[in-house]
Amino acid sequence: GDSVTQMEGPVTLSEEAFLTINCTYTATGYPSLFWYVQYPGEGLQLLLKATKADDKGSNKGFEATYRKETTSFHLEKGSVQVSDSAVYFCALLLGGNTPLVFGKGTRLSVIA
Amino acid sequence: KAGVTQTPRYLIKTRGQQVTLSCSPISGHRSVSWYQQTPGQGLQFLFEYFSETQRNKGNFPGRFSGRQFSNSRSEMNVSTLELGDSALYLCASSLDSGGFEQFFGPGTRLTVL
Repeated sequence: GDSVTQMEGPVTLSEEAFLTINCTYTATGYPSLFWYVQYPGEGLQLLLKATKADDKGSNKGFEATYRKETTSFHLEKGSVQVSDSAVYFCALLLGGNTPLVFGKGTRLSVIA
Repeated sequence: KAGVTQTPRYLIKTRGQQVTLSCSPISGHRSVSWYQQTPGQGLQFLFEYFSETQRNKGNFPGRFSGRQFSNSRSEMNVSTLELGDSALYLCASSLDSGGFEQFFGPGTRLTVL
């Protein structure tokens, strides 16, 4: 079935460090790909998305590129801040009547 | 534009009881989806409603049910609660069904004792 695999957390970084969270997917069709972020005590917020191969989604300094050849959508940020501490979820959506499929989430802690 | 709202935010119940959670989607959104979030299983899809009809259902027992009203507001019900039903229940709305960006509410934290 369709699935998303994310790198295991937690990830702990110092402020201003470079961030990469790996995400790979398995899908029967051509999905749209998303990164959601969940801050403590809150629901999920859409961080960025890409709807086709080679698209780059970006928002708030975060970027991810839809790589069809490697079925990946890795999240990157050049310089993390303490306020980026949260859980990050990679997800895919195939359309039709199918629901979002989420990865397990990666907890990021940024220390000053 | 107001976001997705969920009520109540926190709920404590005992085993065997039933519970009803409510979700009000963003104005103009006609699709509402429900997800269960637990530390062990992550985010799992419960069901989706569109125009008062269930469009899709995840792999949950029949104790979990839902409905959608003509104003797109949705409720989900869990009967005969079990300890394992303790979770954060998230509601998401989208303009239409299938392939559209989903906007999530803050969730209802259900604790079953």
